[in-house]
Amino acid sequence: DVVMTQTPVSLSLAIGQPASISCKSSQSLLGTSGKTFLNWILQRPGQSPKRLIYQVSKLYSEVPDRFSGSGSETEFTLKISRVEAEDLGVYYCWQGTHFPQTFGGGTKLELK
Amino acid sequence: VQLVESGGGLVQPGKSLKLSCSASGFTFSSYGMHWIRQAPGKGLDWVAYISSSSGTVYADAVKGRFTISRDNAKNTLYLQLNSLKSEDTAIYYCARGGDWGQGVMVTVSS
Repeated sequence: DVVMTQTPVSLSLAIGQPASISCKSSQSLLGTSGKTFLNWILQRPGQSPKRLIYQVSKLYSEVPDRFSGSGSETEFTLKISRVEAEDLGVYYCWQGTHFPQTFGGGTKLELK
Repeated sequence: VQLVESGGGLVQPGKSLKLSCSASGFTFSSYGMHWIRQAPGKGLDWVAYISSSSGTVYADAVKGRFTISRDNAKNTLYLQLNSLKSEDTAIYYCARGGDWGQGVMVTVSS
């Protein structure tokens, strides 16, 4: 199985500060189709997960452009240019290239 | 897009339960669908996938005990849970790519 390792486990930031979350996979996530199925999702407290980014760097239409994703093969990064209050929660990376699909352990973003 | 799970509840170890996920807002028959679970206070755990052509894949932890299926005429996804264990206690979510339902709680306890 592909192991997804997220760091840090938690982040405490003030509003307006940038954030960066790393996600590393134990195998390349580049698929035979030439696409890399690495997603980012956010789970706010008491809510179900919400989509943020798919295929490494593609933002869903409703996601603010302060979010960005980058990376390739086995190393990926989610960045928030300026944290806002609505961004608190747990961020997960999720690989869909290989079955079984697997999630990172999560990064909890708290507001300082 | 709307995904609405139902069928959860409290069940004894060894018993069975069937979850449903009613889908709307998209052409259900054209999409693969997932079941993903989250134990209390824990992270996300992928459970099973069914393709648009009804091919299935399972996590090792549930293989042989859980069955994912779909009824395209009813726009509904199912998860049959058999031989339940305490470690199956979790919120179960259905998901289509980036879209998630609100989840349904399954508690396995005597």
